[in-house]
Parts: sequence; structure tokens; C-alpha cells
Amino acid sequence: NAGVMQNPRHLVRRRGQEARLRCSPMKGHSHVYWYRQLPEEGLKFMVYLQKENIIDESGMPKERFSAEFPKEGPSILRIQQVVRGDSAAYFCASSPGVQETQYFGPGTRLLVL
Amino acid sequence: DQQVKQNSPSLSVQEGRISILNCDYTNSMFDYFLWYKKYPAEGPTFLISISSIKDKNEDGRFTVFLNKSAKHLSLHIVPSQPGDSAVYFCAFNSGGGADGLTFGKGTHLIIQP
Repeated sequence: NAGVMQNPRHLVRRRGQEARLRCSPMKGHSHVYWYRQLPEEGLKFMVYLQKENIIDESGMPKERFSAEFPKEGPSILRIQQVVRGDSAAYFCASSPGVQETQYFGPGTRLLVL
Repeated sequence: DQQVKQNSPSLSVQEGRISILNCDYTNSMFDYFLWYKKYPAEGPTFLISISSIKDKNEDGRFTVFLNKSAKHLSLHIVPSQPGDSAVYFCAFNSGGGADGLTFGKGTHLIIQP
């Protein structure tokens, strides 16, 4: 039973480019969460999605960031026109239902040059 | 505003002794409490959880204690083993449909031989 998959594991972008981060939840999980971890910080919640729906995006920056979880395929976190401050580790988690334990993927480390 | 505080950035414990990690919170809406363990370059791994209706939960060498009146959560690991060396995060969930976890900044536990 594969765990949460994230790709790529490492992503390097120049300022102004777009970053696309992918997350495949665990089998049987329909709830996906994205978190960001800045150096020396804890994980910060960004967005919570179920299939085809954004449930809570209270942690998402208002501009340049978007997320989706289509009916088929992985969840995508998209960052447009990246800036150096976007450099961080981005983690995806999944759970089988509401208020159930979240299981994390290995993360994508984004570096913006 | 920091809703969750892990006041010890690091903790050093001798192998075989008890490790005690602490977490304080301010949000009285939190009703589900978790501990995650994280190795470098990996995602957080779920360890143990407790709901607000309990004050203690055990799983093998790991015990989580919840003191709701003091808004204090702790994790006991006994006996400590070298493989326990990692960063430990407490995390909280307030439910109500907003299912993103609120994390502390983490405590780096070092088990010395």
C-alpha cells in the first residue's frame, strides 16, 4: 500500500517562472492538504481539498498560488511568477475522511534562484 | 499570533532514559491533538494522537498526555532509542470543517549513546 506520493522531490525555478507540485494521496483517501515549511519553522497549513472541491484555503497566499484536486489524477499546487520567498519545503498530506489522521508525503523542496 | 508553542528547540537524552517533549497551546477550540516525527529530507510521520475527551493515550514506548486546563500536551518516550533522534512536532486540529492542522515549530530530540 503506497503512501502519499509527491513529485518532484526537488524543484529549481528562476524568479518569474511557474512551479507545479504534484501530490497523489494514499489509496482510498479523498482528502488532500497542502502545507509549507520555511527554514527553522513548523509546517503551515495552506489548503484543504476534496475531489474537485476546495474546502478551506484560508492559509493560501491571496495571489500567485492556486490548488486543485481533479476527479482524475493528482492534486496540483501551482505557484505562478515565483519569488525567492517561495523557497520552502511543500508537503502534501491525505486522510480517508474528515478529522481523521493525516499522512504526509516526502515533500517537494522548491528553490527559487 | 502563535497558537502553539514548543519552547525547547532541542533536547538531548541518554539512550534508555525517558524523553519528555512539551507543547503549549492557546486555542481552546482545539479538540484533537497529534504528535509527528520528522527525519531530515522526509515528510512528517504520524506517531500518536489524543482527543480532547481523554487525558492519556499509550502506544508502545510512546505516551501522550493532555492537560486541558493548563492547555498543555506532552509526549513521553521510554526507553529512548537512537532511532528516536528526529524533530518532533505537536499538531492540533479544531475540526468544524476547517481540517488543517496547526503545528508547533518542533523540538529536535537527540538520543546520546
